[in-house]
Amino acid sequence: DTGVSQNPRHKITKRGQNVTFRCDPISEHNRLYWYRQTLGQGPEFLTYFQNEAQLEKSRLLSDRFSAERPKGSFSTLEIQRTEQGDSAMYLCASSLGDSAYSPLHFGNGTRLTVT
Amino acid sequence: DAKTTQPPSMDCAEGRAANLPCNHSTISGNEYVYWYRQIHSQGPQYIIHGLKNNETNEMASLIITEDRKSSTLILPHATLRDTAVYYCIVRDTSGTYKYIFGTGTRLKVLA
Repeated sequence: DTGVSQNPRHKITKRGQNVTFRCDPISEHNRLYWYRQTLGQGPEFLTYFQNEAQLEKSRLLSDRFSAERPKGSFSTLEIQRTEQGDSAMYLCASSLGDSAYSPLHFGNGTRLTVT
Repeated sequence: DAKTTQPPSMDCAEGRAANLPCNHSTISGNEYVYWYRQIHSQGPQYIIHGLKNNETNEMASLIITEDRKSSTLILPHATLRDTAVYYCIVRDTSGTYKYIFGTGTRLKVLA
């Protein structure tokens, strides 16, 4: 169990550019979640996958955001035409199944700064 | 919206027990209470969870009131490394099982 891995840890980009983040969940975890966290706030749910299927998207996830999880393994989160309001920490989490005894395991996030 | 209410901050002396309260008055019968903590610049870390019985593990104890409308996380001997933001979460069990985080309690352990 090497934990949830997220890359890059930090990303600085100019407004209008596209960015892509990667998340490698704990192996065999079939559920994968993306959250966004801004300073002083708790993480906000963005979307989640069960295997390769994206089953729910938050209203926070505008059309500029897209997430994929090909083959049900790693996941990517892409933000197109970034805006300064997109600056945040993007967290990925995974879990095995949906039992109450399957807590979410979080990565250490990708911190995005849009200048 | 988060289903829990927590005090925004607390202090605790090193070596003493830290008792972090949480109100979840609208919790339903099949919803679990989870506690996570987040140390600066890291992702949230799972601590403990429970349904209606008190729970204990190597990190903490969770005391849930009989009516399940509130709970307390207990760190029995707080250390400086326990300084973090602690989140109490009632987990959505309607399908996605997603966690809805509030703003948590910022615990500061004082030397």
